[in-house]
Order: sequence, then structure tokens, then C-alpha cells
Amino acid sequence: DTAVSQTPKYLVTQMGNDKSIKCEQNLGHDTMYWYKQDSKKFLKIMFSYNNKELIINETVPNRFSPKSPDKAHLNLHINSLELGDSAVYFCASSPGMSYEQYFGPGTRLTVT
Amino acid sequence: ELKVEQNPLFLSMQEGKNYTIYCNYSTTSDRLYWYRQDPGKSLESLFVLLSNGAVKQEGRLMASLDTKARLSTLHITAAVHDLSATYFCAVVPPNTDKLIFGTGTRLQVFP
Repeated sequence: DTAVSQTPKYLVTQMGNDKSIKCEQNLGHDTMYWYKQDSKKFLKIMFSYNNKELIINETVPNRFSPKSPDKAHLNLHINSLELGDSAVYFCASSPGMSYEQYFGPGTRLTVT
Repeated sequence: ELKVEQNPLFLSMQEGKNYTIYCNYSTTSDRLYWYRQDPGKSLESLFVLLSNGAVKQEGRLMASLDTKARLSTLHITAAVHDLSATYFCAVVPPNTDKLIFGTGTRLQVFP
């Protein structure tokens, strides 16, 4: 049973396109996150949601819009993709503040 | 803003040797995590350190936390090839839930 799953695993697209990445967790956790890992392996938080409510919104271009239809899902929609958006995007979940975060397998986004 | 630094960034070591990875952070933190990442894979949680003086061990890895020095160490004992991976420490600033990651240490163990 996959605890935190993401689709797709790989995404190759052209500049200017709009794409979405989906994340689902079956752990019953209340909090979900999006992290970005760049080409130098540096990891940075983008967003977090708690029970469908946006909690953390780091300095991320507003082309990135997270959406949480329910507490088991947190999707990431990206408009007008740019070359610099190429990265691996990780979803994570946790039971709540002060608890360990569990990471999904990642989505490798390549913008050409 | 909380900054987290790891050193070394890259570590090449022979099997059977011992070594330590260091993680320094710039402001007070409630918690510190160590994660392992294999190439092309996700992050696997290794340790959670919650208090000053905390020490945790799993197999050949031992992690410790000194909150006064704002320092955590990940000690590797008698390295084996299977430990080759990138290791990240991550710190949680007070009153938040976000992980601030270190730069990562890429460990390569050779025969």
C-alpha cells in the first residue's frame, strides 16, 4: 500500500504550457506539503495545507497554485511553465504540526 | 531566517571507516530530522531528534543533537557500500511546520 502517491512520476512539457501534479495520501493525515528539489538537490518548501486550509505559502510565483479538494489530496497546478520550473516536486504529509513528514516518490518535471 | 548548513557536501570513504557529517543551524529549533535519499528516489526518514542531548542509533548510523551549539551530527561506523546515498538534515523553526533542509551530503562508500 502506497502511503503518499504522486502522479505523474515524469512530466515533460514545453514552455508556456499549464500542467498539474496530483498527490494523494492514505495515512489519514491532516497536513500536506509541496517541496521543490532543484538540480543541485536543494530542497525548499513551497506550500502546506492543514485540513484543506492553506497554512504555509512561501515565496513562490503565483503561477503555482495548490488546491486541496479534501484532506487526502493536494494538487499543484502550474501555469505558463518556465525553464526554471524544471525540478523534482515532492509531496509530503504528516499527522499535524510537530509530527514527522512522510514524502511521496516525487514528480520530475522537465520544461523544454 | 533560519539557515541550515551541512558539511561536508561530498564524502568519499572506504568501507570499514568511520566518519561524521555535521549539521549547523542558525536559530532555535524544536526538532531536527535526518533523511536519506537514494538517486532518483524519495526521502526516507532516518531519525527525529527532539531535545538537547538526544542520541539515536540505527545500525551503523548514530545521530545526536546539541541544541545549545545548534549542531547535529550523523556518525557513520564501519561504512558499507549500501550506505552510499545523499543525507539531509532538516530543521523546524519554532511555531511553524515547515522543514528547512540543509544542503545535503553526498556519501560514496567504496571497497
